[in-house]
Amino acid sequence: GIQVEQSPPDLILQEGANSTLRCNFSDSVNNLQWFHQNPWGQLINLFYIPSGTKQNGRLSATTVATERYSLLYISSSQTTDSGVYFCAVVPGANSKLTFGKGITLSVRP
Amino acid sequence: NAGVMQNPRHLVRRRGQEARLRCSPMKGHSHVYWYRQLPEEGLKFMVYLQKENIIDESGMPKERFSAEFPKEGPSILRIQQVVRGDSAAYFCASSPRDSNEKLFFGSGTQLSVL
Repeated sequence: GIQVEQSPPDLILQEGANSTLRCNFSDSVNNLQWFHQNPWGQLINLFYIPSGTKQNGRLSATTVATERYSLLYISSSQTTDSGVYFCAVVPGANSKLTFGKGITLSVRP
Repeated sequence: NAGVMQNPRHLVRRRGQEARLRCSPMKGHSHVYWYRQLPEEGLKFMVYLQKENIIDESGMPKERFSAEFPKEGPSILRIQQVVRGDSAAYFCASSPRDSNEKLFFGSGTQLSVL
């Protein structure tokens, strides 16, 4: 099946810093989504981004489908950004959403 | 517009008992997905259902686990004769049509097997 690799596995930031989270995938995809799992376990859908660039406030994401990677940018990080960030992809029609192992982000005040 | 609703939020069972986890998708969504998350791991796909149909159950253990999404009512993930290794967070997600759309997740059910 498709492989989804996220890096770095862990990230510690000082409040106010910027960061880039990376997701590499091993095959072409129809669908790519970024999720944030907060410390209470809730999963929030951040972006649906099979290709191109999107922005939502301090967050933005870019997917370069031809090169099989996606980037999530967090600017001016806040402590509430802490949690685990997952990249998930769908390789074909009616295929399941396959998750990477996640990136654990800790933002310190 | 309520989101994906899962209940119970926490479920404690003794070994050998049955666990029933419920998921009501978002209004207008006819596709439901179940995922399992072990501590400090990513989410592992279990099963994908439409109303009255199982589309993909490739992630479901062959024994003791079953899932349904009836015409009326919530989707149910059923685990018979639970063992300690079943302890995990079980998440349900829904989408309007198929897996190529944005998925919305519920808050999960934390199953603890004593």
